[in-house]
Amino acid sequence: QTVVTQEPSFSVSPGGTVTLTCGLSSGSVSPIYYPSWYQQTPGQAPRTLIYSTNTRSSGVPDRFSGSILGNKAALTITGAQADDESDYYCVLYISSGIWVFGGGTKLTVL
Amino acid sequence: EVQLVESGGGLVQPGGSLRLSCAASGFTFNNYSMSWVRQAPGKGLEWVSYISSTSSTIYYADSVKGRFTISRDNAKNSMYLQINSLRAEDTAVYYCAAVQVWNYYFDYWGQGTLVTVSS
Repeated sequence: QTVVTQEPSFSVSPGGTVTLTCGLSSGSVSPIYYPSWYQQTPGQAPRTLIYSTNTRSSGVPDRFSGSILGNKAALTITGAQADDESDYYCVLYISSGIWVFGGGTKLTVL
Repeated sequence: EVQLVESGGGLVQPGGSLRLSCAASGFTFNNYSMSWVRQAPGKGLEWVSYISSTSSTIYYADSVKGRFTISRDNAKNSMYLQINSLRAEDTAVYYCAAVQVWNYYFDYWGQGTLVTVSS
């Protein structure tokens, strides 16, 4: 049973920088898992932010960036804005046709 | 403009069945693999099923294997999810998503359709 881990919650001050992480219950996250990140506000569909570790989806501001930090995938928001307050989900491509989402991180901007 | 529009959700009793639909427009549907992703009330996202562009490859999450059947009709730019033997834990918003297979991510998302399983 593959479990993808994320911080349940995080807070950042407006204008600040925050890094959310995405790990594996057993093992390290690497680019072979094609980590991707999604933003979701209540009642809305997810929005694709980052794919293939560090590629921004079309229209995503460059204050969002993806990387591998240590043994985890990471989403960094630089210069956080009020409307970045959302839930953020990572997902890993585990094997042929199988994806596993993390539990999501609720980001508060205050 | 890319659009994915889900339909077919509703209230169903435990053990019942539903067929969800996803209508696609604004992109070349038959070039894309597709997936269903669900979200239980107040919970996170859960990948449910995948179907390749030609329907030749299909996968399911263990939690739905044997009860859910994914299919598509490229002539109608549509994807479907037949859900049988519904359980309370299947209560969720079901999203359809277009999959970019060379980078294995969900590129386009629909707005979702709510399935409620309750007696």
